[in-house]
Parts: sequence; structure tokens; C-alpha cells
Amino acid sequence: GDSVTQMEGPVTLSEEAFLTINCTYTATGYPSLFWYVQYPGEGLQLLLKATKADDKGSNKGFEATYRKETTSFHLEKGSVQVSDSAVYFCALSGPQGGSEKLVFGKGMKLTVNP
Amino acid sequence: AAGVIQSPRHLIKEKRETATLKCYPIPRHDTVYWYQQGPGQDPQFLISFYEKMQSDKGSIPDRFSAQQFSDYHSELNMSSLELGDSALYFCASNAPTGGSYNEQFFGPGTRLTVL
Repeated sequence: GDSVTQMEGPVTLSEEAFLTINCTYTATGYPSLFWYVQYPGEGLQLLLKATKADDKGSNKGFEATYRKETTSFHLEKGSVQVSDSAVYFCALSGPQGGSEKLVFGKGMKLTVNP
Repeated sequence: AAGVIQSPRHLIKEKRETATLKCYPIPRHDTVYWYQQGPGQDPQFLISFYEKMQSDKGSIPDRFSAQQFSDYHSELNMSSLELGDSALYFCASNAPTGGSYNEQFFGPGTRLTVL
């Protein structure tokens, strides 16, 4: 079945450091890809998404590019802030169209220190 | 803007008891998804409903059942609770149009503790 593999951490960075969280996937067809963020004690929030190959999702300084050739969707941010401390989940959903369940990676806890 | 509402936010039960979790989707959203997130784990898909019919089923135990009502809210019923059922239960909703993927909006979750 479909699956997502991502860096699990935990990772601790200093403010303004560069962040990369690797994510690769296995899926039939062409899934949509997502990064969700979960702040302490809260629900899941969509951070960014990409629905087809070579699409780049971006939001709040975070970016990820849908790479079909390497089945990857790595998350990057050039300069992290303390407020970025959270758990980050890479996820995929079935082929475009209709309602499809999300399949999540294991999540990576990021702590950013001042 | 209205968000997905889940109730209760916290629930404590004893083993072998039953629990009912409720989810109220965003207005005009007709699809509801349930996910279970164990401590330190990734969310796992349980079940989904579209227009009051079950649309997909994941790793949901036979002790659990769910349904979607005419007002599109959904309830997850859990019986014979086990310690391992302690988790955060998320509900998400969206309104598929049959075109490009439609974002699932998540509720804040219900934290179930089984003692």
C-alpha cells in the first residue's frame, strides 16, 4: 500500500538555522503530497501542498517541491524561528479528484532555540 | 471562519467501557474522516463518510463503529475500551468537487484516556 518515509528526529536547531526534513513516498499513480504541522496541544494544520510533479508548495517561508523522479517531497526553510517549534508530518493522498484518506509519515519534532 | 468542532475535547474512561466521540464538520462540507494518533505516533486513518455513506475504511477495530448523520455530523462509537485505545482522535472534513484535491480541515481532536 501507499506509504511515507520521513526523518523522525527529534531535531534541535538554533534560531535562523537552515532546516531540511526529508520525505519520500511510495504510491500507485500520482498522489498529492502535503506537509502538516502540529503545534503542542493542537490539531493538524496544513502547511503546504503539491498536487502534481514539479509543483512547489510554499507557505510561511517553508518550501517543498514534488519530485516524481526521486519520489520525494523534502521540506526546507532558510531561517527557522522559535515559533516553528512543532511536529512536522509529511503525508500523501490518492490520485487527484474525490475524497481520499491521508497517509502520514512518522512525524519529526523540531525544537528551535533562541 | 467556522472550523471543525469535536466534542468532548477530553474523555477519561475505564477499561471495557464505551465512548462516543462527536465531530461537526465545517458548514457545507459533506465528507468526514476519522484518524487515531497514539502517543508519539503518526495519525492513522480509521474511516470516512461521504454524503452519509461510508466511503473508505482503514485500520478501525471491529469494536468501533461510526456513522454520519443527515446534518453531516459524525459520531465514532467505541466499545469494550482497551488501554491501547488511549489516543488523540482527529476528525477532518472537506467538500470534494471531483476536481483537484480538496484540503482536509482538521478539528482540535478528542484526547481519550482509558484507565
